[in-house]
Amino acid sequence: DAGVIQSPRHEVTEMGQEVTLRCKPISGHDYLFWYRQTMMRGLELLIYFNNNVPIDDSGMPEDRFSAKMPNASFSTLKIQPSEPRDSAVYFCASSPLYGQGAGDNEQFFGPGTRLTVL
Amino acid sequence: AQKVTQAQTEISVVEKEDVTLDCVYETRDTTYYLFWYKQPPSGELVFLIRRNSFDEQNEISGRYSWNFQKSTSSFNFTITASQVVDSAVYFCALSEANSGYSTLTFGKGTMLLVSP
Repeated sequence: DAGVIQSPRHEVTEMGQEVTLRCKPISGHDYLFWYRQTMMRGLELLIYFNNNVPIDDSGMPEDRFSAKMPNASFSTLKIQPSEPRDSAVYFCASSPLYGQGAGDNEQFFGPGTRLTVL
Repeated sequence: AQKVTQAQTEISVVEKEDVTLDCVYETRDTTYYLFWYKQPPSGELVFLIRRNSFDEQNEISGRYSWNFQKSTSSFNFTITASQVVDSAVYFCALSEANSGYSTLTFGKGTMLLVSP
């Protein structure tokens, strides 16, 4: 398996522009997670899906952020409009289900998208 | 609320030295999982180990070993005979398993620099 695939790997945009990050999870995995990593706040969970259904989006910072998972093999994280403080590395991760909760199992991370908003 | 503390922000060692990365956690649950992840300079997080709260046996995998002590709420990670390739940021993480909605809480990470 190719692992979790994210695109683009790097994104530079200007404040106010729309940004869309993409993720393809590992086939057969039940959970998909979106994380954000910054120096100040570390790794933060933004949202996660179970079988394509959003379960917990309490980590999404503002209404400017939205995430979708239209099918089992694709998810997007959209920021509209983007702001300089959104600059971070965004990770997508997936995991199978063999525990009780979403966080019980090892998560497989993608390479991340480094977003810079000027 | 669950919490993970990695008090060591950065550790520098010389190759072949042993090094221990500390992890202290807080949880009110009796059932939980602990993890270690490695983030090398390439940026991708790599899973190292998962341990449930009922299994306090220490684990060894090659040069890596983990010491889980519930009495002190610690899950420390030791690298024996460190190598330059071990240079990375290491994250400890906690998941509380008593509900179907548990998620991972990560510590801030410890940056390990191994010099030749």
